[in-house]
Amino acid sequence: SYELTQPPSVSVSPGQTASITCSGDNLGNKYPSWYQQRPGQSPVLVIYQENKRPSGIPERFSGSNSGNTATLIISGTQAMDEADYYCQAWDSSTVVFGGGTKLTVL
Amino acid sequence: EVQLVESGGGLVKPGGSLRLSCAASGFTFSSYSMNWVRQAPGKGLEWVSSISSSGDYIFYADSLKGRFTISRDNAKNSLFLQMSSLRAEDTAVYYCARDPGRYGDPYDYWGQGILVTVSS
Repeated sequence: SYELTQPPSVSVSPGQTASITCSGDNLGNKYPSWYQQRPGQSPVLVIYQENKRPSGIPERFSGSNSGNTATLIISGTQAMDEADYYCQAWDSSTVVFGGGTKLTVL
Repeated sequence: EVQLVESGGGLVKPGGSLRLSCAASGFTFSSYSMNWVRQAPGKGLEWVSSISSSGDYIFYADSLKGRFTISRDNAKNSLFLQMSSLRAEDTAVYYCARDPGRYGDPYDYWGQGILVTVSS
């Protein structure tokens, strides 16, 4: 079965750029999306189809993709960005989530 | 305003059954594919099942092995998940989420989730 691999944790200082990676075979062709989940809350879509932002998501959130690795980039990270982040991709008719990355803003 | 509200969760004994519902409002329900995603306590997100806008296409995670059944009632703007032969490992918060229905579309709105606890 298809798998997506994320680092368990990433730390960043306020105002700096955070990068969270998601790796999977041929991921670039599987429309990766990213979700933010704060403690006790439902997931929120922040990036879809590699680098598109839904309305209401700050411009500091962006995405990139290089074949087998998708990256969520948060520029000028703020304390409110501290959360779990999950990548998601489509594989045939199923959906796969990465294991999640806890972003800590120190 | 798009709203998805899950209900029907609770405590159930191993081997028991439970039916979850998701009431949708604020959008044309019959135009969207719908999905169930679960999250075990302290764990990550796990895709459970998807159903197309018309209900003609249905998909399940292999791990469920036929124990769960997804369905929808477009006349009542509702999504359902019938769960049977429940196990302790099915304990999780269950979310319903919508997507526009094209391959690769994201889950753009999620419900608040409903807790299912399987325990004797």
